[in-house]
Amino acid sequence: AQSVTQLDSQVPVFEEAPVELRCNYSSSVSVYLFWYVQYPNQGLQLLLKYLSGSTLVKGINGFEAEFNKSQTSFHLRKPSVHISDTAEYFCAVSLKSSGDKLTFGTGTRLAVRP
Amino acid sequence: GAVVSQHPSRVICKSGTSVKIECRSLDFQATTMFWYRQFPKKSLMLMATSNEGSKATYEQGVEKDKFLINHASLTLSTLTVTSAHPEDSSFYICSARAGFAEQYFGPGTRLTVT
Repeated sequence: AQSVTQLDSQVPVFEEAPVELRCNYSSSVSVYLFWYVQYPNQGLQLLLKYLSGSTLVKGINGFEAEFNKSQTSFHLRKPSVHISDTAEYFCAVSLKSSGDKLTFGTGTRLAVRP
Repeated sequence: GAVVSQHPSRVICKSGTSVKIECRSLDFQATTMFWYRQFPKKSLMLMATSNEGSKATYEQGVEKDKFLINHASLTLSTLTVTSAHPEDSSFYICSARAGFAEQYFGPGTRLTVT
C-alpha cells in the first residue's frame, strides 16, 4: 500500500521569504502526485499535480514542486510567500493503476508572519 | 474550474438522529464522487467511493450501514449519518472526479453531534 509522509507539521516563515514544504511517499508501483491547499473551514484546492513528463511542475499562486523518483520526494516550494499563503497544505498520491483513490499526508501548516 | 458544493456547511444534531449531507457538482457531471472524513489537525481519510447508479464502495473499517451513500444522479451524491453519536462529529468533505486523476473538492460540512 502507498503512504505519504509530511514530516513538518508546522512551518513558520516570514513574509517574502522562500519556503519549502517536504513530502515523501512510499509505493511499490508508479504513482501520481498532488499538492492541495486548505484554508480554514474550507475544502481542498488543487495547487499542482505530477502525472508524467517534466519533473518540475508549476502550479497556481506561484507554487512549484519537483518530483524526485530516486528520493521518492515531491517537495513544494515558493520563492516568496505572502500572508495569504497561510493555510494547511496536503501532499497526496494515487496509484497510476487506479488514478482515483487519493492517499493524503498528515498536512503541513504554513504560518506566514509579517 | 469545476465547482463542487456541499450542503449544509454546518449542522448540529442530537445523538440518535440522522443527518443527510449533499454533495453537488455544479458545472460538470461526475460519475464518481468520494467522501472523506477529516479529524481535527489530521489528514483526510477516504470513507467511500460513490458511483452513479450503483452501490458505493466503502473503505475498510467504515460502517456502510451507518454511513449511507446514495449517488442518484450525475451531479448529486448524499451521505447520511444514521443514528449519529458524538464520536461521529467531524468535518466531512466530498470530492467529484473531473477528468483523469483529478478531483475537485467541496467546501466541507462540519457535523457536531450533541
